[in-house]
Amino acid sequence: DIVMTQSPLSLSVTPGEPASISCRSSQSLLHSNGDNYVDWYLQKPGQSPQLLIYLGSNRASGVSDRFSGSGSGTDFSLKISRVEAEDVGVYYCMQSLQTRAFTFGPGTKVDIK
Amino acid sequence: QVQMVQSGAELKKPGSSVKVSCKASGDTFGTHAVSWVRQAPGQGLEWMGRFIPILDMANYAQNFKGRLTITADKSTNTSHMELSSLKSEDTAIYYCAGQSWPDNWLDPWGQGTHVTVSS
Repeated sequence: DIVMTQSPLSLSVTPGEPASISCRSSQSLLHSNGDNYVDWYLQKPGQSPQLLIYLGSNRASGVSDRFSGSGSGTDFSLKISRVEAEDVGVYYCMQSLQTRAFTFGPGTKVDIK
Repeated sequence: QVQMVQSGAELKKPGSSVKVSCKASGDTFGTHAVSWVRQAPGQGLEWMGRFIPILDMANYAQNFKGRLTITADKSTNTSHMELSSLKSEDTAIYYCAGQSWPDNWLDPWGQGTHVTVSS
């Protein structure tokens, strides 16, 4: 199975400041069609996960443009341009390339200073 | 907007089975797969398996093969996840999620179903 790692595992951010989370995969997630099969999810406290970014860099419907995804191959990142209080929670990357064994990263917990 | 609504909490004895349902609004299963993901207390997300209605086939994670069955009925837009031979380690929140086909992102997610396995 493809192993996903994330760093840091926790992050404390001042409101209005940027934040960045790194995600690495044990195998390339670049498909022959040119898309990178990595997605990002946010699980707010007490809630179900919600999709933020799909195929590496596409914002899901209704997601603030403060969120952006980038990267290719095995190295990816999620950036929040200006953190707001509503952004607290745990962020997960997930590889969606290996269709019989989707795998998530361990999660990055983001809170506000 | 598509929603996934799951059945209620379950308390089960070790060795028994649990069956959780997930109903999607609209014709979700005509164009989407449905995945099941679980989250043990204080832990991260673990993908369990999925059903692809348009192919009428299921994929299961290796950890669950042999004791997990996922089905989906396009006529009722309902998926069921049945896990057998329950152990205390199966205590978790179980989520269903619509899965884009064939690009595989998970959206939307159900509200989650608490399953507690205890004697």
